[in-house]
Amino acid sequence: SFVLTQPPSVSEAPGRTARITCGGDNIGTKRVHWYQQKSGQAPVVVIYFGSDRPSGIPERFSGSRSGNTATLTITGVEAGDEADYYCQVWDNSRDLVVFGGGTKLTVL
Amino acid sequence: EVQLLQSGAEVMKAGESLKISCQGVGYTFTDYWIAWVRQMPGKGLESMGFIFPGDSDTRYSPSFQGQVTISADRSISTVYLQWSSLKASDSAKYFCARHSGQSIGDPHDSWGQGTLVSVSS
Repeated sequence: SFVLTQPPSVSEAPGRTARITCGGDNIGTKRVHWYQQKSGQAPVVVIYFGSDRPSGIPERFSGSRSGNTATLTITGVEAGDEADYYCQVWDNSRDLVVFGGGTKLTVL
Repeated sequence: EVQLLQSGAEVMKAGESLKISCQGVGYTFTDYWIAWVRQMPGKGLESMGFIFPGDSDTRYSPSFQGQVTISADRSISTVYLQWSSLKASDSAKYFCARHSGQSIGDPHDSWGQGTLVSVSS
């Protein structure tokens, strides 16, 4: 089945830019969504369809995808952004949805 | 306001059967796919499968096919996740989540609060 690869952890200082990658075969052509999950809470979508941002999500969150990599970028990282982030892709060839393994963002 | 209301935590023994629920409120229940997502302790999110309550079309991820049953009762706007014989390895938090459109390729725009299932051997 479709495999999505994320780095287990990313660390960044406040005010800096954090980038979280999600690798998968031809992911640049697929529907990619990103979720933020804070400790003990349900996930929340922060980016959908690769680069769209839901209302209520700060402009600091952005997404891109090209080739075999999708990237979630958080500019001006804040302490409140500390969370686990998951990419999700629809494998339309098998009509399945797959999550990446998740990346823990630590704000130093 | 769209809400998904899940049933409460369960403490079970291996071999027992279990059915947990997820009630959709604040929207037309039959118009959106609902997914079940597993999160084992300290681990990531895993997509288990989905159901379209409008016609009960159900899909399972390969790892969960034959291990669980997903069903829906349109009359009470509720989706279920069911096990016939639990294993200790089924201990996890289970979330239901709504797809925002009529495709399972659409993002999850609303999540339940999660149901914690603990299974002892």
